[in-house]
Amino acid sequence: DAGVIQSPRHEVTEMGQEVTLRCKPISGHNSLFWYRQTMMRGLELLIYFNNNVPIDDSGMPEDRFSAKMPNASFSTLKIQPSEPRDSAVYFCASSLGEREYADTQYFGPGTRLTVL
Amino acid sequence: AQSVTQPDIHITVSEGASLELRCNYSYGATPYLFWYVQSPGQGLQLLLKYFSGDTLVQGIKGFEAEFKRSQSSFNLRKPSVHWSDAAEYFCAVAPYSSASKIIFGSGTRLSIRP
Repeated sequence: DAGVIQSPRHEVTEMGQEVTLRCKPISGHNSLFWYRQTMMRGLELLIYFNNNVPIDDSGMPEDRFSAKMPNASFSTLKIQPSEPRDSAVYFCASSLGEREYADTQYFGPGTRLTVL
Repeated sequence: AQSVTQPDIHITVSEGASLELRCNYSYGATPYLFWYVQSPGQGLQLLLKYFSGDTLVQGIKGFEAEFKRSQSSFNLRKPSVHWSDAAEYFCAVAPYSSASKIIFGSGTRLSIRP
């Protein structure tokens, strides 16, 4: 299995630009998670999907952030417009989805976003 | 409010020495408990997890952790560390219900002294 795939691995953009991060979960996994990791705030859960439906988006910082999961094999996290404080490493993770947060999560390699 | 505390930001141990990383949690009930490891530039990988039953859980790479309800702790241990264990270690708690979400600790960075 290829594991969780994220693209791009690195993204550098200018303030105000739209940024789209992509994730392909492990085949057969029904839950997908988006996290943000920064030095100041650590690892934060942004949103959690189960069977392509957003279950908990309370961690999404503000309206500039949106996430979609149009099918079981693809999800996007979009930031529009981007700001320098959005600079972070964004991780996608997937799990079987049988026990919500209790299942083992498999993390992708992350996307390092830099907003200038 | 639920919280996870990893009191040690950075620990350095000699190769071959024993290791203990601390994790304390604050939760309404016994949650699911996890330890993840993150190597530089990589995503997180699960080392072990506790749901119920035997309070001493074995994980991958020779790690183990002990759940102590009275101390609200879930410390990670390894009897003899290897240079390849140098990484960041995260403790996490997850609820039994969807009333709240998974929370990760701030992490402990482990360095290995040759």
